[in-house]
Amino acid sequence: TQLLEQSPQFLSIQEGENLTVYCNSSSVFSSLQWYRQEPGEGPVLLVTVVTGGEVKKLKRLTFQFGDARKDSSLHITAAQPGDTGLYLCAGSFASSYKLIFGSGTRLLVRP
Amino acid sequence: DTAVSQTPKYLVTQMGNDKSIKCEQNLGHDTMYWYKQDSKKFLKIMFSYNNKELIINETVPNRFSPKSPDKAHLNLHINSLELGDSAVYFCASSQEGVGGVWETQYFGPGTRLLVL
Repeated sequence: TQLLEQSPQFLSIQEGENLTVYCNSSSVFSSLQWYRQEPGEGPVLLVTVVTGGEVKKLKRLTFQFGDARKDSSLHITAAQPGDTGLYLCAGSFASSYKLIFGSGTRLLVRP
Repeated sequence: DTAVSQTPKYLVTQMGNDKSIKCEQNLGHDTMYWYKQDSKKFLKIMFSYNNKELIINETVPNRFSPKSPDKAHLNLHINSLELGDSAVYFCASSQEGVGGVWETQYFGPGTRLLVL
């Protein structure tokens, strides 16, 4: 059983479309991070959210932390082929060194 | 300059062999990690060291033994390799977070291990 479930698992869309990826849990996290991993590379941090209800924007990417700090979403506006990759959410608990990764969402943006 | 480097990038070996993967970070971070990413891309923590002390040791077979000679290095030695050990192994490092808020984890490029 995954502590952090992501949906959808796979997403194939046309360039210019919008999309939302969800990261859900029954646990409360002290912070949540989103990473993007490209083929043959390690994950790279996109954002960290800490406060319930927090919204952060990174160009065409909008990240939201749920009010109860159990879930998060990533919305991409006008997706581009360069957005293609594996998106991973990761949560942490207070006083723990452990980062729990989600099940991942593989995104393919077709030109 | 490479922040987190791993060697080798590819490792193909026979079942039963012993192998090591090396990791180095030049970011001055206190904490280093080993993760295993399986064929379904699920990334799972294996070990973590903070200032050369083991702080996370997940349910990993004792054939896997991490070693941190200093803060900048964390190596992973695997004895008696099995088919199920085939995966991508990532090293990562970070500064220690405050109050459960994690600093950025910087990942290496991964070591693709294939056990035949």
